[in-house]
Amino acid sequence: SQQGEEDPQALSIQEGENATMNCSYKTSINNLQWYRQNSGRGLVHLILIRSNEREKHSGRLRVTLDTSKKSSSLLITASRAADTASYFCATDHEGYSSASKIIFGSGTRLSIRP
Amino acid sequence: EPEVTQTPSHQVTQMGQEVILRCVPISNHLYFYWYRQILGQKVEFLVSFYNNEISEKSEIFDDQFSVERPDGSNFTLKIRSTKLEDSAMYFCASTRAEGQLDQPQHFGDGTRLSIL
Repeated sequence: SQQGEEDPQALSIQEGENATMNCSYKTSINNLQWYRQNSGRGLVHLILIRSNEREKHSGRLRVTLDTSKKSSSLLITASRAADTASYFCATDHEGYSSASKIIFGSGTRLSIRP
Repeated sequence: EPEVTQTPSHQVTQMGQEVILRCVPISNHLYFYWYRQILGQKVEFLVSFYNNEISEKSEIFDDQFSVERPDGSNFTLKIRSTKLEDSAMYFCASTRAEGQLDQPQHFGDGTRLSIL
């Protein structure tokens, strides 16, 4: 089944450093999304990249998409303590004519050390 | 900014009882979803709902589960005869998309369901 899988599963970096998380998926998509989840909270939408886009920026976030490799990366620059959270990629299914379910990966747990 | 709201934030129920989880999606949104996340595991799709009917459901969403939009604002998930393995966080989401494929899903903060 279609699935996003993040790598690494856990990442610990010093405040101020950049954090890079990767996601791979299996089937063709219309778009790929990244979400953040603080412990015990809901999922916050960060950024959506369409299948015909290669890179997208939003503030300190940079997302790339390589549909030939079926992979995406999320870069958080100049990390802050508040960035500590789990990060999930989520993919839809190409060909759906209406908003379909999204399939979440297993997530990367990011810890920012002060 | 408009939000998806879910109530209650935590529900404790005896095994075998029925439970109703409530969600108020964002007001101009048209598609509604329920997901669940068992502690330490992935977020899993349960069901999507559009135009007053189920659009898609997963294998998890068996006869024990049902969804309803009883009025213009609420979207509910009912779980009949709850089991221990139903313990999880349940997330509601909504999206505005009408034939558009690039609208994000907006999630509520979830209801933590604990079955005793």
